[in-house]
Amino acid sequence: TQLLEQSPQFLSIQEGENLTVYCNSSSVFSSLQWYRQEPGEGPVLLVTVVTGGEVKKLKRLTFQFGDARKDSSLHITAAQPGDTGLYLCAPWALEAGNMLTFGGGTRLMVKP
Amino acid sequence: DTGVSQDPRHKITKRGQNVTFRCDPISEHNRLYWYRQTLGQGPEFLTYFQNEAQLEKSRLLSDRFSAERPKGSFSTLEIQRTEQGDSAMYLCASSLAYRGRLEQFFGPGTRLTVL
Repeated sequence: TQLLEQSPQFLSIQEGENLTVYCNSSSVFSSLQWYRQEPGEGPVLLVTVVTGGEVKKLKRLTFQFGDARKDSSLHITAAQPGDTGLYLCAPWALEAGNMLTFGGGTRLMVKP
Repeated sequence: DTGVSQDPRHKITKRGQNVTFRCDPISEHNRLYWYRQTLGQGPEFLTYFQNEAQLEKSRLLSDRFSAERPKGSFSTLEIQRTEQGDSAMYLCASSLAYRGRLEQFFGPGTRLTVL
């Protein structure tokens, strides 16, 4: 069973600040998804990264997959209150079959 | 098709009662998953179907839990003799798998409260 750690667990910042959250493991993954979840709703898929070192941008969000495909980061530039939510990483390894394992998430609050 | 739908969105029940939740996946997706999520945690895998076959079950899925996907389309999750510890958000997801990635799309969830 892979150990998956997301950090920080909680983050409270002011509108306009930048932030980075991390998803780390000792296992190598085939791909990794990032989701955002708002209270009372299901997670919404933001991005999938597949290649080691890959960088994907989604407006003010920048996602990077580690060179060794063991970790990932999400950087948000000029955070907005609408970015508030639970950010979940979900890596996938071929040997895990057809199941994703979710990290505990980073709960982000952006204050206006 | 607008995505994965779940019904009901909220369910309040008394301890000992049975409850059933429904999930309608994205129509062309052949894989369907059930997860449970408690406050402050990420989703925990419960079970997985490929078409109508239930291929994986977590140890979290006790004998009181049963899931079906009779025609390979919608799925139901039933909890018998509910306990207060069953209170959680129950999430359904569906996916199409293709080389090198596994992307799951989630429904809005069913929030269960057991009194």
